[in-house]
Amino acid sequence: SAVISQKPSRDICQRGTSLTIQCQVDSQVTMMFWYRQQPGQSLTLIATANQGSEATYESGFVIDKFPISRPNLTFSTLTVSNMSPEDSSIYLCSVEAGPGETQYFGPGTRLLVL
Amino acid sequence: KQEVTQIPAALSVPEGENLVLNCSFTDSAIYNLQWFRQDPGKGLTSLLLIQSSQREQTSGRLNASLDKSSGRSTLYIAASQPGDSATYLCAVYNAGNMLTFGGGTRLMVKP
Repeated sequence: SAVISQKPSRDICQRGTSLTIQCQVDSQVTMMFWYRQQPGQSLTLIATANQGSEATYESGFVIDKFPISRPNLTFSTLTVSNMSPEDSSIYLCSVEAGPGETQYFGPGTRLLVL
Repeated sequence: KQEVTQIPAALSVPEGENLVLNCSFTDSAIYNLQWFRQDPGKGLTSLLLIQSSQREQTSGRLNASLDKSSGRSTLYIAASQPGDSATYLCAVYNAGNMLTFGGGTRLMVKP
């Protein structure tokens, strides 16, 4: 199994500002995933982050709005840029034990944009 | 595009009941299916993973089945307890390393 931590656990931000969320894993992993969970909704994949290459974004998500860094095999960041109230969500990072195997999730970052 | 649907969206049962949560998916070309539990304000905990070649998996009071050809999975919870109250999410893993989630079933088990 993998133990994943996220910082911050929650934040309240003003519109127009940016927030960087950190994800740390206790073991080296090839792929890390970032998800968004809007209030009352299920999870939607934002992007997949591989170390040493640019993140791959899903339809509806762009790099300018959600820049991602993956500097090594245990760490990634997601930035929510130029925030609006519609960005209020839980943001979760996850890793998989191996291709097609169990995915493990961090505790999430709860973001409220005023 | 894969779509995952969970029925019911919400369920309230008295303690001790056996219950079934349903998950259906539109594209049967999956690698595996995973059931998660999410407690309010918390992240996701993996409960069971069923590979595409498997029919079911069991863990304690939980049993998950998979019928890939019909695009269905069920999560059976035996002898439900108040501590089982949570949202249960079904997710399927497709080519391209993509996990697609259903909308979840919010379960309340009353003492």
